[in-house]
Amino acid sequence: DSGVTQTPKHLITATGQRVTLRCSPRSGDLSVYWYQQSLDQGLQFLIQYYNGEERAKGNILERFSAQQFPDLHSELNLSSLELGDSALYFCASSAGEAEQYFGPGTRLTVT
Amino acid sequence: AQSVTQPDIHITVSEGASLELRCNYSYGATPYLFWYVQSPGQGLQLLLKYFSGDTLVQGIKGFEAEFKRSQSSFNLRKPSVHWSDAAEYFCAVGAEEYGNKLVFGAGTILRVKS
Repeated sequence: DSGVTQTPKHLITATGQRVTLRCSPRSGDLSVYWYQQSLDQGLQFLIQYYNGEERAKGNILERFSAQQFPDLHSELNLSSLELGDSALYFCASSAGEAEQYFGPGTRLTVT
Repeated sequence: AQSVTQPDIHITVSEGASLELRCNYSYGATPYLFWYVQSPGQGLQLLLKYFSGDTLVQGIKGFEAEFKRSQSSFNLRKPSVHWSDAAEYFCAVGAEEYGNKLVFGAGTILRVKS
C-alpha cells in the first residue's frame, strides 16, 4: 500500500459525458502528479500540482483539467469524453523529491 | 526530447534463473532513474531508484540496478527469479529541471515458467 488513494476504482460512462477522478496523496506530500496509461500511448504524464499550484503540464487535452485543493487532495476532470479516453488514470504523490508513489488507479471505460 | 527505451516487450525466464531487464534513456538533464513494477490490475510499485552516488542500487524484493552513464543505461537485475515476480516492469526517468515528471518506457512483461 503506497498511501495514495484514488476513487473510484472503476468508472463506466458514455461518450460526451463528464467525470471527476479523485486522488488523496500520502500524508505530508505536497506534489500530486496525474498519469494516463493506455494500450497505444503507454504511461503518459498529464499534469502536476504542488501545494495547490499547477507546476508542470504534459500531454493533457484541453478537455481535461485538474486542481489541487487546500487539503492537498486533487481532482482530474475529464469532459466531452471520447472512446479514446478509455484508460487507466494514475495519481502519484511525492514529498518534493523525484520519488513518486502511485495510487491504485481509476479505470475509465467510455462506451 | 526525453525518451526511455525498453527493448524487450516480453521476457520469459525459468524460476530460479537470473534476470536482466534492459533500459536505455535519452535525457537532456542529469536524470533520476527508477524501476516500477505493475501486477495485473494493480498500481505501480517502486522497486528502486537512482539519484546520485553509488551506481549499483539495491531495491525491494531482491532487485538491483546499475546506472552506466557512458551507455545511458539502467538495467534491472535479479539473481534468482520467483514465480511471484511475473509482472510488467517499467523503467522511468525524471529530472528536477523538468519538474520531476516521469517519462516511462513501454514496459517489459516478465513471464516466469516453472
